[in-house]
Amino acid sequence: DSGVTQTPKHLITATGQRVTLRCSPRSGDLSVYWYQQSLDQGLQFLIQYYNGEERAKGNILERFSAQQFPDLHSELNLSSLELGDSALYFCASSVYGVGANVLTFGAGSRLTVL
Amino acid sequence: DAKTTQPPSMDCAEGRAANLPCNHSTISGNEYVYWYRQIHSQGPQYIIHGLKNNETNEMASLIITEDRKSSTLILPHATLRDTAVYYCIVRVPQETSGSRLTFGEGTQLTVNP
Repeated sequence: DSGVTQTPKHLITATGQRVTLRCSPRSGDLSVYWYQQSLDQGLQFLIQYYNGEERAKGNILERFSAQQFPDLHSELNLSSLELGDSALYFCASSVYGVGANVLTFGAGSRLTVL
Repeated sequence: DAKTTQPPSMDCAEGRAANLPCNHSTISGNEYVYWYRQIHSQGPQYIIHGLKNNETNEMASLIITEDRKSSTLILPHATLRDTAVYYCIVRVPQETSGSRLTFGEGTQLTVNP
């Protein structure tokens, strides 16, 4: 158990639907990151939050949005789902300071869009 | 981030040392070398990082050449559980709030019985 909790572990839904993926960072970590891993694309950075504020953005689609709440948990919202959104979605967290590039990843949420 | 080059795949016999190379010839003076691995469909796992001195922890050793243009991750006694994709990432660590880590293709290490 890495200390980063992601729910749900598996999710099957239909095209056009909306889902929310949840992430609780490791205790004491202020930064949360979201990554997407499709079969043919490797790990793609989506977005990073630090203490509730968006800090970095990758190739995140406009249909996707995220936020980090005051208790530091984060949610990734995926809407108008397409078949190509089927992927593993990983959340990671890190501390503040010199260890900020040491990320602890969760086990991931596997999304299947039918 | 400095560009890194890793072999796409490597094999290692169980119980032997696995030596995974990474080339980062454009590394700048304040960039660290980070290693992560991903066992199939699991979340990536941090292994080790270093600036210029060799580093060792309970998982692995990191050897960085004197000119810092390349490094080697060493798993001293590889087991079947070490079969994974290994990623070498070069990054400035001074962003105290963290920032994206870019994962490339990595090296698929297969440990054979």
